[in-house]
Amino acid sequence: DIVMTQAPLSVSVTPGESASISCRSSKSLLHSNGITYVYWYLQKPGKSPQLLIYRMSNLASGVPDRFSGSGSETDFTLKISRVEAEDVGIYYCGQLLENPFTFGSGTKLEIK
Amino acid sequence: EVQLVESGGGLVQPGRSMKLSCAASGFTFSNYGMAWVRQAPTKGLEWVATISYDGSSTYYRDSVKGRFTISRDNAKSTLYLQMNSLRSEDTATYYCTRLFWDWGQGVMVTVSS
Repeated sequence: DIVMTQAPLSVSVTPGESASISCRSSKSLLHSNGITYVYWYLQKPGKSPQLLIYRMSNLASGVPDRFSGSGSETDFTLKISRVEAEDVGIYYCGQLLENPFTFGSGTKLEIK
Repeated sequence: EVQLVESGGGLVQPGRSMKLSCAASGFTFSNYGMAWVRQAPTKGLEWVATISYDGSSTYYRDSVKGRFTISRDNAKSTLYLQMNSLRSEDTATYYCTRLFWDWGQGVMVTVSS
């Protein structure tokens, strides 16, 4: 199974500042079709996960452009610019390259 | 607007069965693969099973293989998860998802005597 490792476990951010979350996969997520199958989700308190970024760097519909995704074949970063109070929750990376699909253990974002 | 509404959860004894349903609307259900993802209390996300758009292909995580069955009724725009021989470690909120893009609100399944 592909292991997804996230860091840090938690991050505390002042509103208006930026935050970065890292995710590393145990295997390259770059498919032969040129697409990198890493996804980012936010689970707000008491809610279901919502898609933020798909295929490493594509912003999902309705997601503010303060969110961005980048990376290589095995190392990925979610960056949140100008953090707002509504960004609190747990962020997960996930790989959808191959079964079994796997997720990172999550990074909790809090507001200072 | 895509809507996924799960139902069928609750409290069940170990070894018993339960069937979850997910009613889909707002998109052409028969065009999309679907999946179930679960989340144990205070834990992370865990993929459970996937089914192709026409139901011809299904995939399961090892821990549920032979016990769980994912299926769909495209005429009713509904996804199912039949869970047999339930164990305490199956206790979780189960989410229906349109190929990990759109997610339902989740349904809680508690396996306990």
